[in-house]
Amino acid sequence: DGGITQSPKYLFRKEGQNVTLSCEQNLNHDAMYWYRQDPGQGLRLIYYSQIVNDFQKGDIAEGYSVSREKKESFPLTVTSAQKNPTAFYLCASSLDRGPYEQYFGPGTRLTVT
Amino acid sequence: GENVEQHPSTLSVQEGDSAVIKCTYSDSASNYFPWYKQELGKGPQLIIDIRSNVGEKKDQRIAVTLNKTAKHFSLHITETQPEDSAVYFCAATPIYNQGGKLIFGQGTELSVKP
Repeated sequence: DGGITQSPKYLFRKEGQNVTLSCEQNLNHDAMYWYRQDPGQGLRLIYYSQIVNDFQKGDIAEGYSVSREKKESFPLTVTSAQKNPTAFYLCASSLDRGPYEQYFGPGTRLTVT
Repeated sequence: GENVEQHPSTLSVQEGDSAVIKCTYSDSASNYFPWYKQELGKGPQLIIDIRSNVGEKKDQRIAVTLNKTAKHFSLHITETQPEDSAVYFCAATPIYNQGGKLIFGQGTELSVKP
């Protein structure tokens, strides 16, 4: 089955801890994206990557970091510097050089207390 | 930068009625306009898209229309069913078409009452 997987579905952390969210795709897509979604809100872009070993900041990159060591994987680290990390995080992928359809994973709901 | 406005924020219809959601965009160079459906607690799913060289596209009960002059596009759902209840997002490519980036609208929560 081709698709995007995100794990875990629910994640709980204490304030001050870094946490890494996983995103894997087997669609052979070059580009991958991380979005944040708050209740009743749209999707805000955190980081995106069009090719391995390269990534760009989105609109709300502060307090987040990413890596792209493999084509299939694009993990997101929510650092302790992110002031309001509790949110629903969505990963997506697409063929490179848009505009191409973005396909989303099931999301990870992060709660920080 | 590109801005996408989506209306209405909530929409309630009776089963069998039609639903229309509208989006406007600011960048005349935008050339790709997808629509996503998001069910509660799940990731968005692409339901239909349209490119700037086409004025209308249909897929069974859903259709999208694009007016490039007015810079707006709309999602039309006919013969609505309870399973159409979800949040719908429109999106557009940003200025200078930065790779595969999309700018999303704020979403419309559609409720279809049986």
